[in-house]
Amino acid sequence: EPEVTQTPSHQVTQMGQEVILRCVPISNHLYFYWYRQILGQKVEFLVSFYNNEISEKSEIFDDQFSVERPDGSNFTLKIRSTKLEDSAMYFCASTKEREANYGYTFGSGTRLTVV
Amino acid sequence: SQELEQSPQSLIVQEGKNLTINCTSSKTLYGLYWYKQKYGEGLIFLMMLQKGGEEKSHEKITAKLDEKKQQSSLHITASQPSHAGIYLCGAAGFNTNAGKSTFGDGTTLTVKP
Repeated sequence: EPEVTQTPSHQVTQMGQEVILRCVPISNHLYFYWYRQILGQKVEFLVSFYNNEISEKSEIFDDQFSVERPDGSNFTLKIRSTKLEDSAMYFCASTKEREANYGYTFGSGTRLTVV
Repeated sequence: SQELEQSPQSLIVQEGKNLTINCTSSKTLYGLYWYKQKYGEGLIFLMMLQKGGEEKSHEKITAKLDEKKQQSSLHITASQPSHAGIYLCGAAGFNTNAGKSTFGDGTTLTVKP
């Protein structure tokens, strides 16, 4: 069954450093998303991406965050200057259709720890 | 913003027992997703409900959507240890990008063998 692949599975970084989280969505999917989940808290929407541009973003997704689809397969989330409160699980997801009638597929996540 | 409240927060059942998890929205529900998450792992899509009264099943898991009550329920029949995990409901609007979902806090299910 097709999967959304995320790398790395765990990343430890120093406060103030830049990190790039990588995702390979399912090949025929067109809509891509990033979510995060701080330990013990809700899954929160960060950003959605379609046709090489951001279609929607949340209040969390400020100037420190950016997303990119550098080639035909990867979808990345960059945090420019990490803060302690950025520590969380970051999930990538993709869907074939906008309305996600068939649900959307999540990756296993990247656990980001900022020290 | 839409808030989703799940109940109960946690549930411990004996293997073979049935159980129900509820998800109530503070706003009109246009579409509701159910996911399962194992601690520290990704979310596994279970099913999506779009219309009032709609009921869907996936193996021994059945979910219903009650538009009037702005509520969905997830029912597991004859629970097994493999059903253990965190069940999350998520809501999205039909006319917005479905990815911008709001999630409930989750219900942690433990199934005792």
